Amino acid sequence: AQTVTQSQPEMSVQEAETVTLSCTYDTSENNYYLFWYKQPPSRQMILVIRQEAYKQQNATENRFSVNFQKAAKSFSLKISDSQLGDTAMYFCAFMKHGGAQKLVFGQGTRLTINP
Amino acid sequence: DAGVIQSPRHEVTEMGQEVTLRCKPISGHDYLFWYRQTMMRGLELLIYFNNNVPIDDSGMPEDRFSAKMPNASFSTLKIQPSEPRDSAVYFCASSWGSSGGMGETQYFGPGTRLLVL
Repeated sequence: AQTVTQSQPEMSVQEAETVTLSCTYDTSENNYYLFWYKQPPSRQMILVIRQEAYKQQNATENRFSVNFQKAAKSFSLKISDSQLGDTAMYFCAFMKHGGAQKLVFGQGTRLTINP
Repeated sequence: DAGVIQSPRHEVTEMGQEVTLRCKPISGHDYLFWYRQTMMRGLELLIYFNNNVPIDDSGMPEDRFSAKMPNASFSTLKIQPSEPRDSAVYFCASSWGSSGGMGETQYFGPGTRLLVL
């Protein structure tokens, strides 16, 4: 079974700083997908970014980018020029390729952006 | 585009009562998922459907939980009888997945916060 581990329960940075959230996963699969979801205080789960394991290029979405290290099974999220609105829980998630569409989530990292 | 719609947004009930949570997926999506989120266990997949058919219900905690999807635009999650330990936020999500599972993004509803007293 796949597992996802987020080793940082909480993080706090100043507005405009850059912050990196860690995620590692365990799988024997070669093809899979990785996601970062954001959950602000409203509790809505919002997709931040996704990465296909077969792609070597790291995914980017505006201020959000990932560092995908397949051999190390690491998938960190970098937030540049952090904003107050980035304050949220961030969840890393894994999905196996082929067949089941099941997402396996990490425990989450609570990120606070301070003014 | 309306997104995934869930109702009610909040539900407070007493132990032993029946609870029904409702979900309307995004139009055109063929996968529907029910998740539960608690502090202790995080986000757990309870059950998911493909083309209205339940595919995997291994996450359903016990027989008190049941889910149905009578058509492509509606699903229910029912708890009968409810217990205090069922208190959680229940999310519905939907996605469009081509055959073979291409890892399509799941879009989540706003969740239903359930409190069982």
